[in-house]
Amino acid sequence: GQQLNQSPQSMFIQEGEDVSMNCTSSSIFNTWLWYKQDPGEGPVLLIALYKAGELTSNGRLTAQFGITRKDSFLNISASIPSDVGIYFCAGQGSMNYGGSQGNLIFGKGTKLSVKP
Amino acid sequence: KAGVTQTPRYLIKTRGQQVTLSCSPISGHRSVSWYQQTPGQGLQFLFEYFSETQRNKGNFPGRFSGRQFSNSRSEMNVSTLELGDSALYLCASSIQGNNYEQYFGPGTRLTVT
Repeated sequence: GQQLNQSPQSMFIQEGEDVSMNCTSSSIFNTWLWYKQDPGEGPVLLIALYKAGELTSNGRLTAQFGITRKDSFLNISASIPSDVGIYFCAGQGSMNYGGSQGNLIFGKGTKLSVKP
Repeated sequence: KAGVTQTPRYLIKTRGQQVTLSCSPISGHRSVSWYQQTPGQGLQFLFEYFSETQRNKGNFPGRFSGRQFSNSRSEMNVSTLELGDSALYLCASSIQGNNYEQYFGPGTRLTVT
């Protein structure tokens, strides 16, 4: 089945640094989504991307839908302490079942922590 | 507008029991999807309901089932619980099934002992 490889698995940030993470797939996705999850909570939608090459911003967050449709990138500029958490990419699966466009497939997440 | 709500937030069950979890989607959202989240496997898709019909199903055994009511509220049921079913169960809603902007609830933390 389709899988997403998300990297890095974890990273430490210092306030003010820029952060980058990415997701890659061996197959094409039609939609890419980026979520953030805090401990004890459900994932919160940050950015949704629907077209290859699309670049979308949400405040200090910028995400891009790769031109090959097999990858996506998320950048966080000038990080602040509340940026810590786990970031997930998700792609729309290409399988069709009974009229649905397919379920979301999630990467394993990038855990952002504060540098000690 | 209220977000996705899930009840209960925490649950402890013993092996062999069954459990029912509830999800109320955002008002106006007709699609509800369920996911299981574990440290080892991450977020895995269970099933999706739209207009009271299951439209998509992940690779989970038949012990996992669900349903959706006419008001779009959804329940999932796990029968004959196993230790490996311990997980965070997340519900997500979207306006329609083919809109992949899914909004998640806080989850139900299920512990099986």
